[in-house]
Order: sequence, then C-alpha cells, then structure tokens
Amino acid sequence: GENVEQHPSTLSVQEGDSAVIKCTYSDSASNYFPWYKQELGKRPQLIIDIRSNVGEKKDQRIAVTLNKTAKHFSLHITETQPEDSAVYFCAATLNSGYSTLTFGKGTMLLVSP
Amino acid sequence: GAGVSQSPRYKVAKRGQDVALRCDPISGHVSLFWYQQALGQGPEFLTYFQNEAQLDKSGLPSDRFFAERPEGSVSTLKIQRTQQEDSAVYLCASSLAARGWPEAFFGQGTRLTVV
Repeated sequence: GENVEQHPSTLSVQEGDSAVIKCTYSDSASNYFPWYKQELGKRPQLIIDIRSNVGEKKDQRIAVTLNKTAKHFSLHITETQPEDSAVYFCAATLNSGYSTLTFGKGTMLLVSP
Repeated sequence: GAGVSQSPRYKVAKRGQDVALRCDPISGHVSLFWYQQALGQGPEFLTYFQNEAQLDKSGLPSDRFFAERPEGSVSTLKIQRTQQEDSAVYLCASSLAARGWPEAFFGQGTRLTVV
C-alpha cells in the first residue's frame, strides 16, 4: 500500500517568513495530493491540492509543487501569519474508484509574531 | 446540513464498554470514510462506504470494530469491548462522488477516551 513520509514534524518561523513542508510517497500510481490544515481540536480542512498532470499550483500565499519522478511534493507558505499556526497534513491517493487518503504524520507549524 | 456532523464530540468509556459513534455526511454525498487519528498522528483509514455498500473495511483494526450505513446517509461506527488502545479521535469524511472527485470534507471528530 501507499506510504507517505512528512518532514519536518515541527517548524517554527517568524511572522513574514516562508515555510516549506515536504512529503514523499511510495506508490507511483498515486495521482492526487491534497494538503489539510488542522487547528487544535478542529476538523482537517483542505487548503490546496494538486493532481499529477501539473507540477505546481498556487493559491495566494500557498503553493504546492509536485515531482512525480522523485515521488515528492511540497507545501510552500509565504508571508506567514500567526493564524497560519496549525498542524498541516499531506496525503496521497489514487484518483480512481474511491479515494482513500494516506496521510503523513503531520507538521506542527508555529508562527511567532 | 452545511458540513459533516459527528456525535458525540467527546466520549469517555470504561474499558470493556461498547460505544457507538455517529456521522451525518453532507447531504447527497455518495462516499463516506471513517478514519482513526491517534494523538500526534495523521488520520488512518478504517473503512469506506459507497452509498449503503461497505466496499472496503481493510483498515478496521479488529473484529471489535463494526460500521454501517444502512440507508446510504448516516453512518455509525461501533466499537465493542473497548480497550485503552482504542483511545483516539474518530473522523468521518464524505465526498460528492465515487469517482474522479476525491475532495473529502471532514467532520470535527469524536474524541474517544477509554479508561
């Protein structure tokens, strides 16, 4: 089955800095890669996703890049704000049939004012 | 409703007790997933329903875990004879279609503590 590794487990940055979280996956057939943000005690919420037919996707301060050859994908947050502080999870799945997500272990991002 | 709703939000069970966790998916969503999230970990897949059919239960950790979705909407995850290792947040997610639309919307979860 699929295995997703996520690094780092914690990341502390100053407000305004950029943050990068990296994930690798094992199943070369995976073709859909979402990122979820989970604030303490709250539900995971989709913030951005990318499909395997594109290499990069951007949404305001958030971007995701995908390298299918190397089987890794990354989340980039620019101009970080304190409200970006949360746990971020990457995931991978096959976009066919039903889509069971395999999640990484999460990265706790702390943005200091 | 506007989102995926789960109840109860918190459940404390004595070891050996049976529990039932409820999930109300977004109306019209065909796919429903249950995930288990241990403290400090990512969610892990338990089981999947397409309408009322349970198509995948490969993630259920033991035969003490049972899930159903009899009318293709509300789902219940039942855990019999709870043990301490069952303590976790149980997340339900739904998505609109069975194919080609994998965006999953999560509920807030039920935090189960077995004492």
